[in-house]
Amino acid sequence: GAGVSQSPSNKVTEKGKDVELRCDPISGHTALYWYRQSLGQGLEFLIYFQGNSAPDKSGLPSDRFSAERTGGSVSTLTIQRTQQEDSAVYLCASSLGSAGQDYGYTFGSGTRLTVV
Amino acid sequence: AQSVTQPDIHITVSEGASLELRCNYSYGATPYLFWYVQSPGQGLQLLLKYFSGDTLVQGIKGFEAEFKRSQSSFNLRKPSVHWSDAAEYFCAVGGQSNYQLIWGAGTKLIIKP
Repeated sequence: GAGVSQSPSNKVTEKGKDVELRCDPISGHTALYWYRQSLGQGLEFLIYFQGNSAPDKSGLPSDRFSAERTGGSVSTLTIQRTQQEDSAVYLCASSLGSAGQDYGYTFGSGTRLTVV
Repeated sequence: AQSVTQPDIHITVSEGASLELRCNYSYGATPYLFWYVQSPGQGLQLLLKYFSGDTLVQGIKGFEAEFKRSQSSFNLRKPSVHWSDAAEYFCAVGGQSNYQLIWGAGTKLIIKP
């Protein structure tokens, strides 16, 4: 597609429920990134995909968080047993190559997750 | 430790006035530096980036930034702001072999009419 698409744009969920966030990167972009943005904070790195592989999962905050990417395209970030501290904007970005800084990230508009 | 500091949480300027947003970084290798802008409800858009060469970098929307190695700074400037520039601005640093950027906490720019 023309840009990075994320869905849903807003999600309100009850504490303890599971949620799935979707990212559809730019066609042909092999690298995909998930970041979390909390109010008044910078971006927190969560996970990086090169193709379908995730060489770096170091940013995932706990084992309640997982992500997958299929067909070198769409990625899903899943949060199990959501907690109130999971409330944030989850941003997805994609880039042409593995060295994101050489090509520049293109970000989606994010999913605003609110856990009540 | 690697870090990016944006000392100003909010900045208010009058429309037509000049702007400078500060960014200081701590990075162990040669830094790649970026400025991104985020309008309300939008994703982040790349304004400009510095990898090497001329330390004064031109970006989109009339923005420029200057890399000063001795001061570990990469300040963003614009000679005359427009109301449409109201947004949050993020500075980030990375390295040649490091895909993961380190981000500042952002500066919110407010434009007075």
